[in-house]
Amino acid sequence: NAGVTQTPKFQVLKTGQSMTLQCAQDMNHEYMSWYRQDPGMGLRLIHYSVGAGITDQGEVPNGYNVSRSTTEDFPLRLLSAAPSQTSVYFCASSGLFELTDTQYFGPGTRLTVL
Amino acid sequence: TQLLEQSPQFLSIQEGENLTVYCNSSSVFSSLQWYRQEPGEGPVLLVTVVTGGEVKKLKRLTFQFGDARKDSSLHITAAQPGDTGLYLCAGARGSNYKLTFGKGTLLTVNP
Repeated sequence: NAGVTQTPKFQVLKTGQSMTLQCAQDMNHEYMSWYRQDPGMGLRLIHYSVGAGITDQGEVPNGYNVSRSTTEDFPLRLLSAAPSQTSVYFCASSGLFELTDTQYFGPGTRLTVL
Repeated sequence: TQLLEQSPQFLSIQEGENLTVYCNSSSVFSSLQWYRQEPGEGPVLLVTVVTGGEVKKLKRLTFQFGDARKDSSLHITAAQPGDTGLYLCAGARGSNYKLTFGKGTLLTVNP
């Protein structure tokens, strides 16, 4: 049981490049989400999904796309990277129906956009 | 607008001291969670509180949810160096799907 895994661990992009951050979970969780963490800002929700084929926007969705074709995977796509997207990105998953469901976070991807 | 205000932002104490971290809001939350995050890792859930006035204890950590469900506190007794980390509170309004996080309290416990 690996929990929530994220790849890559580190990534450097040039402005305008595109890339996909991978996230997978093996706990059969319905809910998955992506956050970004910037110094002094806490975690901010980018996109989330409550099941395969269902996604919705969070607090800061601009510049990011997501899809959920399977329960296990929830990739985050940067369409045209900008320096403002330099951040640490965390994927999380949890069950769906209880307020006390534990949200499990991955180890994060540290992205630098030059 | 930051829905959840955490204070203090930074806290440096000696081993054995007690401390309290606060998480305040003008909004009502259906549940509130506390996480601890260590450098280079993702946050790890410590506790979830859902009932106004609720108090939960986890060894030397005591969590309290305000009666009006707008605020919470985390009290650590006899802090140890292993308690060092970033403490984050996060609130849910309605469903648990969309959590709002505070900016965190960075705690350093010196031996």
